[in-house]
Amino acid sequence: DSGVTQTPKHLITATGQRVTLRCSPRSGDLSVYWYQQSLDQGLQFLIQYYNGEERAKGNILERFSAQQFPDLHSELNLSSLELGDSALYFCASSVTGSMNTEAFFGQGTRLTVV
Amino acid sequence: AQTVTQSQPEMSVQEAETVTLSCTYDTSESDYYLFWYKQPPSRQMILVIRQEAYKQQNATENRFSVNFQKAAKSFSLKISDSQLGDAAMYFCAYRSLYNNNDMRFGAGTRLTVKP
Repeated sequence: DSGVTQTPKHLITATGQRVTLRCSPRSGDLSVYWYQQSLDQGLQFLIQYYNGEERAKGNILERFSAQQFPDLHSELNLSSLELGDSALYFCASSVTGSMNTEAFFGQGTRLTVV
Repeated sequence: AQTVTQSQPEMSVQEAETVTLSCTYDTSESDYYLFWYKQPPSRQMILVIRQEAYKQQNATENRFSVNFQKAAKSFSLKISDSQLGDAAMYFCAYRSLYNNNDMRFGAGTRLTVKP
């Protein structure tokens, strides 16, 4: 168990809909990363938050948005969903600053858009 | 932005033999961290090994070791005495110390272990 919790584990929804994915980082971790992994593909970096503020943006579509709340949990909002948005969405957290360690990953949310 | 390249989409190894997975990266930074992650069919991302760029000594973790060539920006993973449980996707990752600790992954290498 990595200590990072993602909910829900599975989500099936229709095209055009909006969903919210939730991530609770490890206790004490201030940084949260979101990644998208399409079928048998690599990890695409979407966005990073640090202590409530957006720190870096990757290949995140305008239809997608995220935020990190004061309790450090994060949500990824996906709207106007398309079939191509079907993927595994990972959240990872880490300690930042001088204590650089690996990112710890949640088990992912598998999103299926039908 | 830093990029990570894994040029081998798939690799295969016989059980008990050794295999090397390649990874190269592009950066202008002098200090950074490199990682290899394993993703088995369960899809959980598991850290295999890490390397700090300022350390010349190659990291080792039991049957896993790296060949870190900083000048060549190369970071290969060697798996010795391969086991069936090593079958997975392997991702190479680069973590910046400066750019908001941004972490970038390669496309992955699918490793098959033959009994």
